[in-house]
Amino acid sequence: KQEVTQIPAALSVPEGENLVLNCSFTDSAIYNLQWFRQDPGKGLTSLLLIQSSQREQTSGRLNASLDKSSGRSTLYIAASQPGDSATYLCAVFNDYKLSFGAGTTVTVRA
Amino acid sequence: SAVISQKPSRDICQRGTSLTIQCQVDSQVTMMFWYRQQPGQSLTLIATANQGSEATYESGFVIDKFPISRPNLTFSTLTVSNMSPEDSSIYLCSADFRDSLTDTQYFGPGTRLTVL
Repeated sequence: KQEVTQIPAALSVPEGENLVLNCSFTDSAIYNLQWFRQDPGKGLTSLLLIQSSQREQTSGRLNASLDKSSGRSTLYIAASQPGDSATYLCAVFNDYKLSFGAGTTVTVRA
Repeated sequence: SAVISQKPSRDICQRGTSLTIQCQVDSQVTMMFWYRQQPGQSLTLIATANQGSEATYESGFVIDKFPISRPNLTFSTLTVSNMSPEDSSIYLCSADFRDSLTDTQYFGPGTRLTVL
């Protein structure tokens, strides 16, 4: 069974600082990995998707890396803003299912 | 990307009653999924719903408690039956979009259920 772990569980930084969110998974036979954002009481917004054959994906201030062999992904958010405050979820897709980590709750202080 | 809507967005229900949640996708998809997110927890997959076949339930979830319909390629419902306060959660549906490169899942906004 796929197990997905996210560290840290919570993170508080001053505005402008770069954010580093970590995700690890136990079964490296994944099809892809997605990073989502969830605002309190809301649904999920897909941020980045990395295919198993890729090493990284970038979108604006967001960059996600994938090391499938070691079962790790990292989401970098550059120059954080208060609007980046949310919970960030990592999910891996294999066996036709998404398995989610517990998330990292980010607070960016103005 | 895709647009996925859910109804209702929230509800407060009495113990012992049932609630049906609707999920509508703006394009045809083969695979749809239902998830539960209990307070302070991450998402747990309840079942996979493919059009034309019975839903496949994950360990710990049964059809009698969470019956699912999938009448066509753009719509699905999840019923939470004989509710108890432990069923208070956010319920989310998602759809899998497959192109030549990969599968991407998009999510609805969720239904926040409170059971008294």
